[in-house]
Amino acid sequence: GESVGLHLPTLSVQEGDNSIINCAYSNSASDYFIWYKQESGKGPQFIIDIRSNMDKRQGQRVTVLLNKTVKHLSLQIAATQPGDSAVYFCAESRSNAGKSTFGDGTTLTVKP
Amino acid sequence: GAVVSQHPSRVICKSGTSVKIECRSLDFQATTMFWYRQFPKQSLMLMATSNEGSKATYEQGVEKDKFLINHASLTLSTLTVTSAHPEDSSFYICSARLQGLAGSLTDTQYFGPGTRLTVL
Repeated sequence: GESVGLHLPTLSVQEGDNSIINCAYSNSASDYFIWYKQESGKGPQFIIDIRSNMDKRQGQRVTVLLNKTVKHLSLQIAATQPGDSAVYFCAESRSNAGKSTFGDGTTLTVKP
Repeated sequence: GAVVSQHPSRVICKSGTSVKIECRSLDFQATTMFWYRQFPKQSLMLMATSNEGSKATYEQGVEKDKFLINHASLTLSTLTVTSAHPEDSSFYICSARLQGLAGSLTDTQYFGPGTRLTVL
């Protein structure tokens, strides 16, 4: 079956440093990937997405990189702030299917 | 834009009762909504896809008679947990699918704030 997994369950960084959160996926048919941020007791919040025909996409302070050869996805957060502390999920989807499969999540803690 | 609400945010009920959770897209129409369940410190597990005007599609292992889904309009889907038991206690999250919002590449799911269900 398909699975989307994250390499590390927790990540701790100093405020101002850059953060890199990784994700591995196993379904080669996946063509759309999304990163979500979930704060405690809240629903996931869309951060950024990328299609399989791209290898990099940038947003505000965030960059998503996709390596289809090794089925790897990463989220880079520049100048990490305390407000970035949350659980980050990657999700895989096939654009025609609509539904997403979520990975296990990485807890990001930003130390002041 | 792209706001999804859920009601109630928190509910405590007795075992054997039924609980209805509402999911609303406030500023857009959603032909498709999704219902997820999340246990503490775990990922989101898709329960079902709710399609406006038709029957919901349930994921393998999810009892459709236990978790009743109704998507009666383009802005409202409801999940009813029937004859709830303590093992149904969880965080239930809905999402609504929005087509082609600026800043995203394709249809994007926007999530509600979740409903914490506790069954005593």
